[in-house]
Amino acid sequence: ETGVTQSPTHLIKTRGQQVTLRCSSQSGHNTVSWYQQALGQGPQFIFQYYREEENGRGNFPPRFSGLQFPNYSSELNVNALELDDSALYLCASSHPGQRNSPLHFGNGTRLTVT
Amino acid sequence: GQNIDQPTEMTATEGAIVQINCTYQTSGFNGLFWYQQHAGEAPTFLSYNVLDGLEEKGRFSSFLSRSKGYSYLLLKELQMKDSASYLCAVIPGGYNKLIFGAGTRLAVHP
Repeated sequence: ETGVTQSPTHLIKTRGQQVTLRCSSQSGHNTVSWYQQALGQGPQFIFQYYREEENGRGNFPPRFSGLQFPNYSSELNVNALELDDSALYLCASSHPGQRNSPLHFGNGTRLTVT
Repeated sequence: GQNIDQPTEMTATEGAIVQINCTYQTSGFNGLFWYQQHAGEAPTFLSYNVLDGLEEKGRFSSFLSRSKGYSYLLLKELQMKDSASYLCAVIPGGYNKLIFGAGTRLAVHP
């Protein structure tokens, strides 16, 4: 069983630039969620995708957007990067049909905005 | 609003028992998770509680009291590898969105 994989592992961008982060969900999981984890904090929910549609969104501005593809992989796009966007971005997938099934997290992408 | 509180840091001795508490105030409740996160790594699932009571899984146990908005994670026979952050997370609504606490950093000493 293949786990959740994210790419790249590390990324450095300049304020104002745009970034795309990628995630391949665990085999058989059709729900993907994205979280932002600042240093020393717990993960904060960005949004969730189910069958290629956004299925819930946290308190993040519209410059955070996402996509889910037919193979259930996903992208997180962030436009007009700000210094406060520096964080670990975690992708998580969950098993379909199991209410409140545990999220399986990838190792994350560490984004640094300078 | 949504609020989840847990201690910032704890220390314990190898072989001992430690209890990490979590209190929550959320708009709804559909379950509580505990995750372990080693530095620089992904959170890994430890336990899930949706009904009151104790769930035991090897050296780890988790307790829930919905009326008190309270949970704890109990770690027995501590090992050095248990040094990590422990995250308490609640599902407040109908879909699988988690609200996380800031995490408790546990340091296990010889």
